[in-house]
Amino acid sequence: QLQLQESGPGLVKPSETLSLSCTVSGGSISSSSYYWGWIRQPPGKGLEWIGSIYYSGSTYYNPSLRSRVTISVDTSKYQFSLKLSSVTAADTAVYYCARLTHYYDRGAYYCYFDYWGQGTLVTVSS
Amino acid sequence: DIQMTQSPSSLSASVGDRVTITCQASQDISNYLNWYQQKPGKAPNLLIYDASNLETGVPSRFSGSGSGTDFTFTISSLQPEDVATYYCQQFDNLLQLTFGGGTKVEIK
Repeated sequence: QLQLQESGPGLVKPSETLSLSCTVSGGSISSSSYYWGWIRQPPGKGLEWIGSIYYSGSTYYNPSLRSRVTISVDTSKYQFSLKLSSVTAADTAVYYCARLTHYYDRGAYYCYFDYWGQGTLVTVSS
Repeated sequence: DIQMTQSPSSLSASVGDRVTITCQASQDISNYLNWYQQKPGKAPNLLIYDASNLETGVPSRFSGSGSGTDFTFTISSLQPEDVATYYCQQFDNLLQLTFGGGTKVEIK
């Protein structure tokens, strides 16, 4: 059974850089069938896609966060990571990592988040 | 940017009721639409993919339909364990994935 686990500081000071890692276990991080993504959820609010990365290192970012986000992957450690710079209180959220499965089948394209980490709360405060 | 408008934002229904949630895309996304269930304090869970395909292990009372810009998610007979927030999510453009605002479902 695939498992994802977020790790990183739960408290970050304003203007600093938020850094999280996601460790993948029970499956391959290098398969061509998957992207790996970060999604966040401010307290009491909805889900926001932050970005996704392919095992090759190709990245896709939410345009609203692109200037502050870096996602990287280390296949040897079965990890991918998120860095969000110049954080403010608005970046306080539960951050989830997830697997984005994508494939073609009989002419149809499928793409969905099918495995998620449990989420980690990151609070931005001095 | 593709915007996803989900309605209603919340609803209250009785056990056994039929519940319908809609999601509208700001442009044609074919059938590139997924539905997730999120229970309090938990990560989202995939229910429906590609607008109408039921994920393995998901009860058949959940269903989805639609294509283009208008999509519907239905719970045919609401159960107490269905209390959750439901989100649509488009994947028309892998470079930009978008979630709807969510619909909180409660029991009356």
